[in-house]
Amino acid sequence: RKEVEQDPGPFNVPEGATVAFNCTYSNSASQSFFWYRQDCRKEPKLLMSVYSSGNEDGRFTAQLNRASQYISLLIRDSKLSDSATYLCVVRTGGGADGLTFGKGTHLIIQP
Amino acid sequence: GAGVSQSPRYKVAKRGQDVALRCDPISGHVSLFWYQQALGQGPEFLTYFQNEAQLDKSGLPSDRFFAERPEGSVSTLKIQRTQQEDSAVYLCASSLALVGASGNTIYFGEGSWLTVV
Repeated sequence: RKEVEQDPGPFNVPEGATVAFNCTYSNSASQSFFWYRQDCRKEPKLLMSVYSSGNEDGRFTAQLNRASQYISLLIRDSKLSDSATYLCVVRTGGGADGLTFGKGTHLIIQP
Repeated sequence: GAGVSQSPRYKVAKRGQDVALRCDPISGHVSLFWYQQALGQGPEFLTYFQNEAQLDKSGLPSDRFFAERPEGSVSTLKIQRTQQEDSAVYLCASSLALVGASGNTIYFGEGSWLTVV
């Protein structure tokens, strides 16, 4: 079983809609959680960290459920520019920063 | 430049050829990472440097893969006798602080796209 699992999609969503992704992780010792965004043929870029209390950044809301070992990302009022692959990332605190990436969820916002 | 710089951006190698991929991290960044990203997959960890010391190479898939960072700045990932399964994007990333430091953001380069034919 892969350590970080995501639905690869694609999610086809009309502009202005709300979309949510989930991600599950297997290592209960995981310490930190992130969402990265990766555009086609580009490098991953940090979108936001995910905190236990949940956090919001503009149209983006991230939630963490430690008991169930899942992380979610909610995008409200989606824009065409939100089209990208969203990578769920977990830090286990081991060597090399212990960053483990999911395969990513592909989001396509349609006009 | 201000970001992580990688070269070449694109490389086509014949099977059996050796390749060398270069990474210039952000100036002053202590930690440097190499990841491999196959098509449709997330990045997979290859190796980690803290300054010039290679502290973790557990992700290197075989002894054909070798990485170095001799002066604690520029790093080179070398792949010997390339195979078709080596075709992937090789991402370099760097961060200012040491592993595990709070708020330690990792910045990625745009990657070196390797195709082995």
